[in-house]
Amino acid sequence: GAVVSQHPSRVICKSGTSVKIECRSLDFQATTMFWYRQFPKKSLMLMATSNEGSKATYEQGVEKDKFLINHASLTLSTLTVTSAHPEDSSFYICSASRTGGRDTQYFGPGTRLTVL
Amino acid sequence: GESVGLHLPTLSVQEGDNSIINCAYSNSASDYFIWYKQESGKGPQFIIDIRSNMDKRQGQRVTVLLNKTVKHLSLQIAATQPGDSAVYFCAENYGGSQGNLIFGKGTKLSVKP
Repeated sequence: GAVVSQHPSRVICKSGTSVKIECRSLDFQATTMFWYRQFPKKSLMLMATSNEGSKATYEQGVEKDKFLINHASLTLSTLTVTSAHPEDSSFYICSASRTGGRDTQYFGPGTRLTVL
Repeated sequence: GESVGLHLPTLSVQEGDNSIINCAYSNSASDYFIWYKQESGKGPQFIIDIRSNMDKRQGQRVTVLLNKTVKHLSLQIAATQPGDSAVYFCAENYGGSQGNLIFGKGTKLSVKP
């Protein structure tokens, strides 16, 4: 149990376009979902935390208007990269937690975004 | 050995040997720690966790040790196998209602057959 999926796994887009990434908890309900960004050979950096039905909480330095997060249901959160630029190219990973807090975070397989 | 800068610290071991991966955490208030394994192009996979009221916890072939005095965490893998080759991250949860994790820089484990 505790499987998290992401779609798409890879996406290539042109500069200036928007890209939506979906994160789903397949066999459990997730009160809290997290979005991370990872550059090559680097660690995961938390971008934002979202609770179902609430506005996301963004980490310092993350532009909320550029990275739109929606957590509309207990099994789905979406991250939309708006007006993408080459510097947004990265590996985006989500995680889901049943209750948040110290509950285990289960990670998705990640989405590789390449902006041309 | 370890290197700093742009490269991940790397640990190279022979198949069958034991591996020890170390991590220093930053926040004295952190009370929950997790080790994750990440294979190339995949998301992190939960390995084992430990709470601050413990100093040792064992799983299947893995042991996590916590030294709160020096804010140090280690992951021991017994009888390392080629399938253990991956990048290993420690993460600390400093509490709060959200449960935000701070990830360490990661260590790349290479297992030689």
